[in-house]
Amino acid sequence: NAGVMQNPRHLVRRRGQEARLRCSPMKGHSHVYWYRQLPEEGLKFMVYLQKENIIDESGMPKERFSAEFPKEGPSILRIQQVVRGDSAAYFCASSPDGAQPQHFGDGTRLSIL
Amino acid sequence: SQQGEEDPQALSIQEGENATMNCSYKTSINNLQWYRQNSGRGLVHLILIRSNEREKHSGRLRVTLDTSKKSSSLLITASRAADTASYFCATVPGANSKLTFGKGITLSVRP
Repeated sequence: NAGVMQNPRHLVRRRGQEARLRCSPMKGHSHVYWYRQLPEEGLKFMVYLQKENIIDESGMPKERFSAEFPKEGPSILRIQQVVRGDSAAYFCASSPDGAQPQHFGDGTRLSIL
Repeated sequence: SQQGEEDPQALSIQEGENATMNCSYKTSINNLQWYRQNSGRGLVHLILIRSNEREKHSGRLRVTLDTSKKSSSLLITASRAADTASYFCATVPGANSKLTFGKGITLSVRP
């Protein structure tokens, strides 16, 4: 049973470019959560999605960030026109029905040059 | 905003000793969870304690919850070098909602 798969593991972008982070939840899980972790910090919630629906996006910055979880395929976190402050580790977690606990992927480390 | 706050921020102990980590939070919760994170990896769920529970055990782990004090503790008994990691508490206000994490505790277990 594969766990939560995130790719790429490392992503380097120049300022102004777009970053696309992918998350494939565990088999049978239809609830996906995205979190961001800055160095030496805990994880901060960004967005909670179910298939084709955004349930809670209260942690998403108002501009440049968007997320989707289509009927088919992985969940995507998209950051447009990246800035240095977007450098962080982005983690995806999934659960089967929104009940706890959540299962985490190994994250995508985003570096902005 | 940060809900949970762990202490100490860092803990260094000898293999075989017990490690106790504390977490305080601010608002009412449905449950509280502890996670472990090894360097460069994702979080691994350790244990969940519901708001109507006071104590829970899982192997070498013991978690307590005091909702009147809004605090929890994680005890790792007979620690091993492999327990070296960062430990986070996370609170959940409702049954189906986001996790709110503290800043974490760095545990080092010396062989």
